[in-house]
Amino acid sequence: RKEVEQDPGPFNVPEGATVAFNCTYSNSASQSFFWYRQDCRKEPKLLMSVYSSGNEDGRFTAQLNRASQYISLLIRDSKLSDSATYLCVVNEWSGGSNYKLTFGKGTLLTVNP
Amino acid sequence: GAVVSQHPSRVICKSGTSVKIECRSLDFQATTMFWYRQFPKQSLMLMATSNEGSKATYEQGVEKDKFLINHASLTLSTLTVTSAHPEDSSFYICSARDGQGASTLHFGNGTRLTVT
Repeated sequence: RKEVEQDPGPFNVPEGATVAFNCTYSNSASQSFFWYRQDCRKEPKLLMSVYSSGNEDGRFTAQLNRASQYISLLIRDSKLSDSATYLCVVNEWSGGSNYKLTFGKGTLLTVNP
Repeated sequence: GAVVSQHPSRVICKSGTSVKIECRSLDFQATTMFWYRQFPKQSLMLMATSNEGSKATYEQGVEKDKFLINHASLTLSTLTVTSAHPEDSSFYICSARDGQGASTLHFGNGTRLTVT
C-alpha cells in the first residue's frame, strides 16, 4: 500500500464548481498533514495545513479524520487560477528534530471557463 | 519571507558527465536541507537529507556514490549527479526549514535535468 494515496484524477471542472480531493495515508503515527499546490514545472507551495478540527481558508476547506487516516480538500467556487496539481502531504517525525515529508502523487485540477 | 535559491534551473548534459546543483538559503540558516526528485506525473520522492557538517542521510534505493551531497555551510547544500545517464533525467528540488514543522519548509525553484 502506498504511503500517501490520492484520487488519480485528473479533474476537469467549470468555473464556479465545487471540487473535492481525497487522500489516505498508511502510517498511523503521522504527525501533521498538509495540502500543497504545484503548478506545472514549478516547485510545490504550501496551500494549507490540515487540522483534526477541520479548517477553512477562504474558498478552501481541509479536513482530517485520524481514525480513518483520511484527509480531504474542498475547493468552492473554483477559479481558473485554481488549475494546478494538488499534493497531499504527510509529515512524520523521524527522531530528534527531524521530520520527513511524504508526498502523494498529486491530483491534477483543470478549471475551465 | 524566507527564500531558497536553487541553481541552475535547467541543465542539459551528455551521458557520463557530472552535474552539480546548488541550493542556498538566502535569509536564514538551514542546518538541514532536503533533496527531492520528481519524475513526470509522479510524486516528489525524498532522495536524501543533507545535514550541515555531517554526512547526508540517503533514502532507501538512492545511491550515495552517484548522488553526492555536500552541506559545507549553514546556507549551502550541493547535489552532484555523477556519471549521469538518461534515466537520471528528472526534476530535482531542494528544500530547507527555517524552523519546526512543514509550514516552515521552503522549496527551491527546482532544476530540470536532461541527460542526452
